[in-house]
Amino acid sequence: RKEVEQDPGPFNVPEGATVAFNCTYSNSASQSFFWYRQDCRKEPKLLMSVYSSGNEDGRFTAQLNRASQYISLLIRDSKLSDSATYLCAVRGSGGSNYKLTFGKGTLLTVNP
Amino acid sequence: DAGVIQSPRHEVTEMGQEVTLRCKPISGHDYLFWYRQTMMRGLELLIYFNNNVPIDDSGMPEDRFSAKMPNASFSTLKIQPSEPRDSAVYFCASSYGNQPQHFGDGTRLSIL
Repeated sequence: RKEVEQDPGPFNVPEGATVAFNCTYSNSASQSFFWYRQDCRKEPKLLMSVYSSGNEDGRFTAQLNRASQYISLLIRDSKLSDSATYLCAVRGSGGSNYKLTFGKGTLLTVNP
Repeated sequence: DAGVIQSPRHEVTEMGQEVTLRCKPISGHDYLFWYRQTMMRGLELLIYFNNNVPIDDSGMPEDRFSAKMPNASFSTLKIQPSEPRDSAVYFCASSYGNQPQHFGDGTRLSIL
């Protein structure tokens, strides 16, 4: 099993739709979780950290389920500008607690 | 604020040549990371440094790859000799402690 796996995608949705991505991780001792956004031919940029209790930032909601070892990202009322690749990232524990392992990303296209 | 600065932005060279990628982390950041991104393998961590000291180089593909960080404001990733399969986008990222990582614009490397 890969360390971090994401929905294969791609996702094509109309403007205004709600879309959700999931990401599973294999190391139960993982400590921190993140969602990054990467536009075409650009660098990954932090979208939001994922906290144990779940957290929201405007139209974006991130959830963590430690029992099932997955994180999710929900985008409500999607905009054309949300079109990008979304990468989940997981930080290890102990001696690996500064390493981020990324999923391969899920491509989202929001259509007019 | 200056972000992570990488050079060159693009590099095209023939196989067998030496390639040197450069990175200037964000001032004050004590962690520096080198990643490689390809369609097939996604974003992979190659090596990371803490206070200029290499901590984990388990992601470095083989002996042809080497990385140095002679001071807090500069790091290099060298490939010698280069091969076509090294073609990828190479990102440098930095962070302060376990705060989120910030990525540079990347170097798009093509080995012919």
